[in-house]
Amino acid sequence: DGGITQSPKYLFRKEGQNVTLSCEQNLNHDAMYWYRQDPGQGLRLIYYSQIVNDFQKGDIAEGYSVSREKKESFPLTVTSAQKNPTAFYLCASSKGADRAPSEAFFGQGTRLTVV
Amino acid sequence: AQKITQTQPGMFVQEKEAVTLDCTYDTSDPSYGLFWYKQPSSGEMIFLIYQGSYDQQNATEGRYSLNFQKARKSANLVISASQLGDSAMYFCAMSLYGNNRLAFGKGNQVVVIP
Repeated sequence: DGGITQSPKYLFRKEGQNVTLSCEQNLNHDAMYWYRQDPGQGLRLIYYSQIVNDFQKGDIAEGYSVSREKKESFPLTVTSAQKNPTAFYLCASSKGADRAPSEAFFGQGTRLTVV
Repeated sequence: AQKITQTQPGMFVQEKEAVTLDCTYDTSDPSYGLFWYKQPSSGEMIFLIYQGSYDQQNATEGRYSLNFQKARKSANLVISASQLGDSAMYFCAMSLYGNNRLAFGKGNQVVVIP
C-alpha cells in the first residue's frame, strides 16, 4: 500500500539527548514536511522540503534539523537545543508546488516524551 | 502570511444531525487552496475536502460539504447525518499556489452522541 510511515510511534528520551524521527513515503511525492502538535493546538510547521537535497525552515525550526538525501526519506532530528521537545510529531508529503495546491498525506505520528 | 481562525468551543452533536464547523482565513494572495482534515484520537490526519480559490462551486465529498464564501473569507465545513465515528478534532488549513506549505487553524472538537 502507498503511504507514509513514521517510526517509532512512541519515543522516550532523556533531557539533553538528540533523537531522530524517521519518515518514509512511497507515494513518489516531491514535497515532504514535518509538523509539531502540542495538546489542544493546531499543527505548526518545523521544516519542509520541495525537492531532494533542499529544505527550508518553517515557523518553529529552532532546535531541529533535517536532511533530504533521498526522495522517499525525510528524517527529523530533535536536538538538545530544543527547549521543550515533548510533543506529537507528524510527517506529511504532497505533490510538488508547481501546480494548484494538493492535499498532504500524513503519517501516523510519533509521540516524543523527554524525561 | 496566511492565518486560519477556528474559534468554536467543543461541540456535542446528536447522531444523524448536521453540524457546521466555522473557519475564517486571511491572506492577500488571490490564489490559494483550503482544506479540512479530521484527526481522531489515534492522531492520524485524514484529508476530507478541498476548495480552490477559483472554484465556482462549493466542494462536496460524500457527507462533507464546504460552504465557501470568498468575500467573507470563510470556508465552513458541513457534516451531514453525523455518525459516532465522526467524533474527532477537525482542522481547517490553507496553502498558496506554488507553495504547498499548509497553515493550520487550532481545530474544532466534535463529539457525536447517540
